[in-house]
Amino acid sequence: SQTIHQWPATLVQPVGSPLSLECTVEGTSNPNLYWYRQAAGRGLQLLFYSVGIGQISSEVPQNLSASRPQDRQFILSSTKLLLSDSGFYLCAWRGQGANNSPLHFGNGTRLTVT
Amino acid sequence: AQSVTQLGSHVSVSEGALVLLRCNYSSSVPPYLFWYVQYPNQGLQLLLKYTSAATLVKGINGFEAEFKKSETSFHLTKPSAHMSDAAEYFCAVLNDYKLSFGAGTTVTVRA
Repeated sequence: SQTIHQWPATLVQPVGSPLSLECTVEGTSNPNLYWYRQAAGRGLQLLFYSVGIGQISSEVPQNLSASRPQDRQFILSSTKLLLSDSGFYLCAWRGQGANNSPLHFGNGTRLTVT
Repeated sequence: AQSVTQLGSHVSVSEGALVLLRCNYSSSVPPYLFWYVQYPNQGLQLLLKYTSAATLVKGINGFEAEFKKSETSFHLTKPSAHMSDAAEYFCAVLNDYKLSFGAGTTVTVRA
């Protein structure tokens, strides 16, 4: 069966520090991968998605970036965090089979920028 | 792009009472619709998904949703609420590869 791992679970970082969140998927190949952010009052916001290695689409301009160095690995990064980057970050994967395949989410990372 | 609207940001029900969460979609073609549940500090868990094979969709934990094209709705129901149903619920629609979510409805269950 497929599983998704996301770490760390919680993170407290000062403003201006770098960020690296990692997500890996097991049990499937060539998945679509996603980063969402959930912030108070802003709902679930799609940040990036990827349909293949090295293919990254950005949905929202910001100081975050994403990379997909391997088929089942998705990394969210920043060189300098802002206070507004605080939130709950969710990684998700989706199989490329049926058109109505759902997204499957990891357990999330709670990021607090101080 | 297609979107969904959830009516009611908070719903409070008594244990054993009906749970009804409303979701309307905007689409002129049959959409790919989903309901997810989120418990505090956890990721989203898929409750159910709409397939064109049936208008009434059964999901996990006793939830079901009915697709009504005439009303452009996909409301989520559960006949009898349990304390463990207290969570936030999201309706979502798939646009190309991407999932767009409603604002969410928080359910509280009173003993």
